[in-house]
Amino acid sequence: EIVLTQSPGTLSLSPGERATLSCRASQSFSSSYLAWYQQKPGQAPRLLIYGASSRATGIPDRFSGSGSGTDFTLTISRLEPEDFAVYYCQHYSRSPPTFGGGTKVEIK
Amino acid sequence: EVQLLESGGGLVQPGGSLRLSCAASGFTFSSYAMNWVRQAPGKGLEWVSAISGSGGSTYYADSVRGRFTSSRDKSKNTMYLQMNSLRAEDTAIYYCAKGVGMYCGGDCYLFDHWGQGTLVTVSS
Repeated sequence: EIVLTQSPGTLSLSPGERATLSCRASQSFSSSYLAWYQQKPGQAPRLLIYGASSRATGIPDRFSGSGSGTDFTLTISRLEPEDFAVYYCQHYSRSPPTFGGGTKVEIK
Repeated sequence: EVQLLESGGGLVQPGGSLRLSCAASGFTFSSYAMNWVRQAPGKGLEWVSAISGSGGSTYYADSVRGRFTSSRDKSKNTMYLQMNSLRAEDTAIYYCAKGVGMYCGGDCYLFDHWGQGTLVTVSS
């Protein structure tokens, strides 16, 4: 099973600032199979990024993903008020798909 | 518009059973694999099970294998999760999630649409 470790656990930032979230895998896999999800309180997760760097339908271009091998990054270029949420990375290369523990982006 | 609506959650005693349903609309149901993903209160996401578009193949997390069974009914555009021998650690919100592909290779486990979830509480 691939273990995904996200850091930091919590990121305290102000609107307009840049957010950089990290996801590290316990073993290498194809970057084609790395996704990022956003979850707000009381809501289901929403797909943001797939294939490490492709934005899902309707996702603003302030969200970008990068990385390969075992190290991946989600960047939010300028935080909007609606971006404060929990973000999860996930590999979907094979069964079982696994999620990272999440990074909470909170208002400073 | 893709819509997924879960139902069937509730309070059940340890050792009991429950069947969850996920009614799907807005897409060709049999063309896509479907999944169950759960989230314990205040915790992260855990994949539970997947079922191929045809229903002929199923996959399970180690934590539920032998206790949970996924199935789907093409005529009703509905997926099910039969949960037996429930434990306290199965307490969670259960989400159904649509996969991007039909077969369970990689894309089966990429979740592009999610339901709002149904809460399962296992407690005496």
